[in-house]
Amino acid sequence: QQQVKQSPQSLIVQKGGISIINCAYENTAFDYFPWYQQFPGKGPALLIAIRPDVSEKKEGRFTISFNKSAKQFSLHIMDSQPGDSATYFCAATYQGGSEKLVFGKGTKLTVNP
Amino acid sequence: DAEITQSPRHKITETGRQVTLACHQTWNHNNMFWYRQDLGHGLRLIHYSYGVQDTNKGEVSDGYSVSRSNTEDLPLTLESAASSQTSVYFCASSEVPREGNTQYFGPGTRLTVL
Repeated sequence: QQQVKQSPQSLIVQKGGISIINCAYENTAFDYFPWYQQFPGKGPALLIAIRPDVSEKKEGRFTISFNKSAKQFSLHIMDSQPGDSATYFCAATYQGGSEKLVFGKGTKLTVNP
Repeated sequence: DAEITQSPRHKITETGRQVTLACHQTWNHNNMFWYRQDLGHGLRLIHYSYGVQDTNKGEVSDGYSVSRSNTEDLPLTLESAASSQTSVYFCASSEVPREGNTQYFGPGTRLTVL
């Protein structure tokens, strides 16, 4: 049973555009939602994370929007750059979940110059 | 600087052979994890450990084993390699979080089973 569903699988945007990746979760006990960024040939690295007590968190051009009632969260990349081209994973975990992260299947983002 | 390393980075083996992938972290983290990454499946948890002598099965543990004899290392062993285990393997570590649960990933090992 996949607990975190991520869409789209792939995304192509033009430089300067907005990239939007969506995730939905099932387990209402989840209380921490990170996004990881992975460049080809590298391991994933934490990009930004949010807890459900806030509806939005922004770090530079990256913003997480969180909708607790809909059990959905999304990553917005403003002014997308070719250097943002990577695979993005959403994830979720919860206190008492023993530090385990449940990952979405990933979105391959390509930003064309 | 603290880091997490994996070796080898690339490995080709034959069906039926035993293979061990190494993972070493210098953060002194208690928690360590092994994932496999396959196209269309994302990252799937194989095994994890919360400390020395502790190991636990993840969602895709069949055919894999781990042992934790010290804080720094969590080797992953494929007892009898199968073609279905061709994948990219990532090790990660984390500490009991004060703020969130950040897992730090290694660079990965690409394993091919012929």
